[in-house]
Amino acid sequence: AQTVTQSQPEMSVQEAETVTLSCTYDTSENNYYLFWYKQPPSRQMILVIRQEAYKQQNATENRFSVNFQKAAKSFSLKISDSQLGDTAMYFCAFMNPPGFYGGSQGNLIFGKGTKLSVKP
Amino acid sequence: TAGITQAPTSQILAAGRSMTLRCTQDMRHNAMYWYRQDLGLGLRLIHYSNTAGTTGKGEVPDGYSVSRANTDDFPLTLASAVPSQTSVYFCASSEGRYNEQFFGPGTRLTVL
Repeated sequence: AQTVTQSQPEMSVQEAETVTLSCTYDTSENNYYLFWYKQPPSRQMILVIRQEAYKQQNATENRFSVNFQKAAKSFSLKISDSQLGDTAMYFCAFMNPPGFYGGSQGNLIFGKGTKLSVKP
Repeated sequence: TAGITQAPTSQILAAGRSMTLRCTQDMRHNAMYWYRQDLGLGLRLIHYSNTAGTTGKGEVPDGYSVSRANTDDFPLTLASAVPSQTSVYFCASSEGRYNEQFFGPGTRLTVL
């Protein structure tokens, strides 16, 4: 079964600095999807960024970018110019693609999360 | 646009009682999902529905049931609640099974 591991339960960063959140996953598949979700204190789950495994180019969304290392099964999130509003839980998630016959295609498998605090 | 609404926002329930958590989306999404979020465990999929009239089991389906009578609604029922079902429950929807999932605001359920 696929698993997602976030090894940093908590992190902190100074405002305007850069921080990187780690995520590793375990799969024997060649094609799949990876996601980072943000959950601020409001509890709302918000998609930050999505990466298709067949794409070699790392996904970016404004101040958020990923470092996708397929061979190492690593999918880290970099937040540049951190802002107070970035304070949140961040969840890494994995999804099997169409055609996966393991029974869980299309299901999101989440890591346990990293609590990020941005300090003024 | 409301997106996804969940009701109630929070609830305290006596063990052994039944409870239905409501979820409604106005985006005409085909797929809908129920997750539970427990401290230190992240989100885990309970049940899902690819389209109206179909449902499937997720990672932790025991003790829960769902129905999908129409596109917009996806209620989650606990037939006989137990304390281990104390959690925050999130409903989500997506246009298709492999598209971005949009989440509701969550329901905090406490079973005593």
